[in-house]
Amino acid sequence: SAVISQKPSRDICQRGTSLTIQCQVDSQVTMMFWYRQQPGQSLTLIATANQGSEATYESGFVIDKFPISRPNLTFSTLTVSNMSPEDSSIYLCSVPQGDTGELFFGEGSRLTVL
Amino acid sequence: AQSVAQPEDQVNVAEGNPLTVKCTYSVSGNPYLFWYVQYPNRGLQFLLKYITGDNLVKGSYGFEAEFNKSQTSFHLKKPSALVSDSALYFCAVIRGGDMRFGAGTRLTVKP
Repeated sequence: SAVISQKPSRDICQRGTSLTIQCQVDSQVTMMFWYRQQPGQSLTLIATANQGSEATYESGFVIDKFPISRPNLTFSTLTVSNMSPEDSSIYLCSVPQGDTGELFFGEGSRLTVL
Repeated sequence: AQSVAQPEDQVNVAEGNPLTVKCTYSVSGNPYLFWYVQYPNRGLQFLLKYITGDNLVKGSYGFEAEFNKSQTSFHLKKPSALVSDSALYFCAVIRGGDMRFGAGTRLTVKP
């Protein structure tokens, strides 16, 4: 299985600021997924990041709020822009493995916005 | 539209007893179904999957799940629960090429 590293693991941020989360994978992958897990909630897909093209966002998520970069096949970043307390969540990077689409996840980045 | 449902927010069992965490799905065709576990302050860990073949699939940590097409269910089971099994469990399905998760069930195993 892939080894996925996320930075930062946690952070406390001020309202109105932006934070960039990094995701590094130890193997080349075509697709990377960014999920959000709000406190006490399930995972919600934010976007799919493909190398060499614009990220594909799910309903309710927009590029201005969650810009994503995918400069190569092993790395991606998610920025949470102009943060508010409602953005306090765990943000998880994941990659598919094998031909059945199962996902492997990073440890997540826990953001608290004050 | 919801693709997987976990009808129980919370499941409590005594250590040594069998446990079941329920999941039903609502995608058409032949679903790809998964179970994940999330321990406190950790990411999700893959437990097992059903793609095709034998309806009973075995996974990590002694867990297994039974695919039941007539009942559109994929319940997670373990014959003898451990205190260390206490965690948040998510059922998931591949829909439209993306993985969709249930709401999660918090399992508490008491000594």
